[in-house]
Amino acid sequence: SYELTQPPSVSVSPGQTAMITCSGDALPNKFVYWYQQKSGQAPVLVIYDDDKRPSGIPTRFSGSISETMATLTISGAQVQDEAAYYCYSRDTSNNPWVFGGGTKLTVL
Amino acid sequence: QVQVVESGGGVVQPGGSLRLSCEASGFIFSSYGMHWVRQAPGKGLEYVSFIQYDGHTKYYADAVRGRFTISRDNSKNTVYLQMNSLRKDDTAVYYCAGGYDDKGPEYWGQGALVTVSS
Repeated sequence: SYELTQPPSVSVSPGQTAMITCSGDALPNKFVYWYQQKSGQAPVLVIYDDDKRPSGIPTRFSGSISETMATLTISGAQVQDEAAYYCYSRDTSNNPWVFGGGTKLTVL
Repeated sequence: QVQVVESGGGVVQPGGSLRLSCEASGFIFSSYGMHWVRQAPGKGLEYVSFIQYDGHTKYYADAVRGRFTISRDNSKNTVYLQMNSLRKDDTAVYYCAGGYDDKGPEYWGQGALVTVSS
C-alpha cells in the first residue's frame, strides 16, 4: 500500500528555520496538504495544494515540492510552533488518501 | 462561522456497532468532500474513509473496508460513519473533516471518542 514517509522528529532553536520532509512516489502527480496538531487539539491546515497558505496562517509557514519530496518550512520558528506536523496526500488506487507518520517539532 | 460537530461516540463492546454523525454549517456542504480520520491514543492521524461531495464515490482504508460504511445527507448537511464488527484497535478519536471538491480537508471537527472495550 502507498506510504508517505516523514522523519519522526525535528528540533530547532527559536528563530531558526525548521524543515519537515514528506516523501511519496505519487507526490509529483498529487497535491500534498500539511496539518499542524497541538496536544489535545484537532488538526489545523497550514499548507494546501503543495505550497498555498490558508488565510490566517503566519507567513513563516511555506511549502514546496521537488519530485517525490514535499517540504514544510517554518522560517524563524517560534515556541508556539511546537506541535506534530502531518502530510496528507492521495494515491491513485482505490485507497486514495494517506497520512505521513507525523513529525514532532521541538522548538527550544 | 464554520462549525463541524461530531456526535455518537461512546463505549462499545468488541463485535458491536456504533454510528457517528457529523453535522456541518458555515460552508456549502454539498460542494465538499468529507473525510473521516481517526487517532488512536498516543498515535498519529490515520485516514479512515472519504465520500465525494455528491455521495457517489466512497473510499475506505484497508483496516476498515467491509466493516465501516460512510454516507451523507446533503439536505441535512450531515455525514455518517456506520461502524460494525468493532475491534479493540478501532479505539480512537474520530474526526470529521471537509475539503472543497476532492481536496484535502480545511474544516475539522473536535472529534468523537470511540472506545471498544469489554
